[in-house]
Amino acid sequence: GEDVEQSLFLSVREGDSSVINCTYTDSSSTYLYWYKQEPGAGLQLLTYIFSNMDMKQDQRLTVLLNKKDKHLSLRIADTQTGDSAIYFCAERDRSSASKIIFGSGTRLSIRP
Amino acid sequence: DAGVTQSPTHLIKTRGQHVTLRCSPISGHKSVSWYQQVLGQGPQFIFQYYEKEERGRGNFPDRFSARQFPNYSSELNVNALLLGDSALYLCASSLASGGGRDEQFFGPGTRLTVL
Repeated sequence: GEDVEQSLFLSVREGDSSVINCTYTDSSSTYLYWYKQEPGAGLQLLTYIFSNMDMKQDQRLTVLLNKKDKHLSLRIADTQTGDSAIYFCAERDRSSASKIIFGSGTRLSIRP
Repeated sequence: DAGVTQSPTHLIKTRGQHVTLRCSPISGHKSVSWYQQVLGQGPQFIFQYYEKEERGRGNFPDRFSARQFPNYSSELNVNALLLGDSALYLCASSLASGGGRDEQFFGPGTRLTVL
């Protein structure tokens, strides 16, 4: 079945770049997503990438997609304290368009 | 504009009881999806409803059921609660029934604790 995996923790210094990595198993996924969850809040869609793209940039966020290795990454430039959150990688289920499959999340902490 | 709202925010139940969670989508959104997020894990898809019909179901037992009302709000019902049902239940609304660009907007969730 489909599976999305990501590392659990990442710690970076304020002002540095953060890179959060994710691997997925469904090679036919059409859309891949990055969500952000802050304490006590719901999920916020940060960005998404279509499978025919290799890269997408949106202000401080850069998404890289390597379809051959089924690897997705999110780079946050100039990381700020407000970026502290859990980041979820997710893919659209190919058999059910309504279903999004999430990874377990990467907790990003910022050091001063 | 109001986002997705869920009620209650917190709930404590005991094993064997049943629970009803409620969700109001963003105005104009016709689709509601439910997810279960156990502590330390990512959300797991439970149901999607579009135009009052079930359009998708995750791998959850029949104790879980849902429905959507004519005003597109939705209820998630869980019967015979187990300790393992303790989780954050998230509701997401979207304009249409699915598809990659059909962005899902999530509510703040209902925290259910089963004792």
